[in-house]
Amino acid sequence: RKEVEQDPGPFNVPEGATVAFNCTYSNSASQSFFWYRQDCRKEPKLLMSVYSSGNEDGRFTAQLNRASQYISLLIRDSKLSDSATYLCVVNKKSNYQLIWGAGTKLIIKP
Amino acid sequence: ETGVTQSPTHLIKTRGQQVTLRCSSQSGHNTVSWYQQALGQGPQFIFQYYREEENGRGNFPPRFSGLQFPNYSSELNVNALELDDSALYLCASSLGTSGDTQYFGPGTRLTVL
Repeated sequence: RKEVEQDPGPFNVPEGATVAFNCTYSNSASQSFFWYRQDCRKEPKLLMSVYSSGNEDGRFTAQLNRASQYISLLIRDSKLSDSATYLCVVNKKSNYQLIWGAGTKLIIKP
Repeated sequence: ETGVTQSPTHLIKTRGQQVTLRCSSQSGHNTVSWYQQALGQGPQFIFQYYREEENGRGNFPPRFSGLQFPNYSSELNVNALELDDSALYLCASSLGTSGDTQYFGPGTRLTVL
């Protein structure tokens, strides 16, 4: 079993729709959680950190459920520019490694 | 932009050759982490350098080695290249070793023929 698992994609959704990404992690010692966005043939860029209380940044909302070892990302009112691959990442404070999911590709159609 | 630069941007090598990839960290950052990202996969941690010392290593063979210089720039060396080494190699710089807030360079795309 992979340490970080994400929904296999791609997700094809119409512009304006709400999209939800799911991610599970296997190591209960994980303490930091992130969503990164990666455009085709580019480097990953931090989209948002995920906090236990949940957090929102404009159209983006991230949730963490430690008991279920589950992380989510919700994108509301999706734009064409949201088309990218979304990567779920976890980190153990005792360890310097970022553990990455394989990513879920999102394609927003006009 | 993050201020992290990598060179070269693209590279083509043949099996058995050796390659050196370079990374300049963001100003003020003392830690560089290297990742390998195969097509359709998430990045895999190779190793991390902190203040010129290797600070940890992922599940990669010894033919993957690295260096960090006094100015905190870093090199990744891969000997005896194999076809499966074809990937995007990413470096990320950070202040400290906790793994949080890593800033990525644009990557070097290595093709091994």
